[in-house]
Amino acid sequence: DTAVSQTPKYLVTQMGNDKSIKCEQNLGHDTMYWYKQDSKKFLKIMFSYNNKELIINETVPNRFSPKSPDKAHLNLHINSLELGDSAVYFCASSPPRGSRGASDGELFFGEGSRLTVL
Amino acid sequence: SQKIEQNSEALNIQEGKTATLTCNYTNYSPAYLQWYRQDPGRGPVFLLLIRENEKEKRKERLKVTFDTTLKQSLFHITASQPADSATYLCALSSGGYNKLIFGAGTRLAVHP
Repeated sequence: DTAVSQTPKYLVTQMGNDKSIKCEQNLGHDTMYWYKQDSKKFLKIMFSYNNKELIINETVPNRFSPKSPDKAHLNLHINSLELGDSAVYFCASSPPRGSRGASDGELFFGEGSRLTVL
Repeated sequence: SQKIEQNSEALNIQEGKTATLTCNYTNYSPAYLQWYRQDPGRGPVFLLLIRENEKEKRKERLKVTFDTTLKQSLFHITASQPADSATYLCALSSGGYNKLIFGAGTRLAVHP
């Protein structure tokens, strides 16, 4: 199936640990994103990569480090986890502007990775 | 500072009625605005996009309007069904690189 897939779906860990979330899209898109959705359901952009190049880097603690080995993958590594990092992290991708069959700017989201820091 | 507000946290309507959701923004001049649907435990799903030079967009039972003077978008679902129950998010483009800023969402419940 064509999709944006994230692993793991659930992650429970202790404060201070380091963890990674992986994301892959097989839609052929050039741009990928990480969004964080907190307990109040606000969806906030964290990072965006276009063809492996970082293009959006919001005010995010440098404990968060994205890595894009190729344009189909965007991973998120988090060091020294804190309680406030507990949230659902969504990966998304979007096609280039003007792509046939897609609206400009439409995001395709993964199902989310729920991170709980104890 | 830039702000996006969606009219209410929750909206309850009867099946068959039209649901109208509101998205207001301040201190933005978005090139386009999008609406997404999010079901519990799932990722948001794109519904409609409307550009700043468009007044209205339709897709099946969905209609979106965009008033850049009022800085408001209205999202309508006609002939609503219980299956339309979900959280609906509006998102505005902010700057380049397709950076989207999302509202907090409105939880719609359609009762039989």
